[in-house]
Amino acid sequence: GENVEQHPSTLSVQEGDSAVIKCTYSDSASNYFPWYKQELGKRPQLIIDIRSNVGEKKDQRIAVTLNKTAKHFSLHITETQPEDSAVYFCAARWGYGNKLVFGAGTILRVKS
Amino acid sequence: GAVVSQHPSWVICKSGTSVKIECRSLDFQATTMFWYRQFPKQSLMLMATSNEGSKATYEQGVEKDKFLINHASLTLSTLTVTSAHPEDSSFYICSITRGRKGSNYGYTFGSGTRLTVV
Repeated sequence: GENVEQHPSTLSVQEGDSAVIKCTYSDSASNYFPWYKQELGKRPQLIIDIRSNVGEKKDQRIAVTLNKTAKHFSLHITETQPEDSAVYFCAARWGYGNKLVFGAGTILRVKS
Repeated sequence: GAVVSQHPSWVICKSGTSVKIECRSLDFQATTMFWYRQFPKQSLMLMATSNEGSKATYEQGVEKDKFLINHASLTLSTLTVTSAHPEDSSFYICSITRGRKGSNYGYTFGSGTRLTVV
C-alpha cells in the first residue's frame, strides 16, 4: 500500500519567515496530493492541493511543488503569521481505490 | 465540494457498551465513504472504506468485528464501535470524495466524533 513520510515533525519559525514541509510517497501511481491544516479537535482543512500533471501551484502565501520522479512534494508558506500555527498534514491518494493516506503531521509554530 | 455531516460530535460511553457514529453526505450520493481514526497528537489513520450496498474494506490491523460499518444508502454510512474499551477513545472522522478512481476531485471531511470510553 501507499506510505507517506513527512518531515519535520515540528517546525518553529519567526513571524515573517518562510516555512517548508516536505513529504515523500511510495506509490508511483498516486495522482493527487493535498495539504491540510488541522486545529485541535477540528476536521482537516484543505489549504492547497496539486495533481500529478502539475509541478507547482501557488495560492497567495502558500505554494506546493511536486517532483514525480523523486516522489517528493513540499509545502511552502511565505511571510508566516502567528495564525499559521497549527498542525499540517500532507496526503497522497493511493492509485488503487481512491484511498487518501496521510503523513505523520508537522506542528508549525510561528513566533511573534 | 461536497457537504458532509457527522454525528455525534462527541460521546462518552461506558466500557463494554457500543457506540454508533453517523456520516451523512448531504448533497452528493456517495458510493464510497472513508473512516479515519486519530489518536491525540497523531495522524489520521484510515480504518476502512465503506462501500454502498456491499461489505466494507478494512485496513490491515483493524478488527472488522469490533468496528462495524454499514453503508445502506448512498447518503449514510455508520460506524459502530462494539464493546468499547478505553483504548478505543479517539477522534473518528469520515470522509467522502466526489471523484471516481483516477479523477481530480478532492475530499470532504466530517466534523469528527470525539469518543471517550470510561
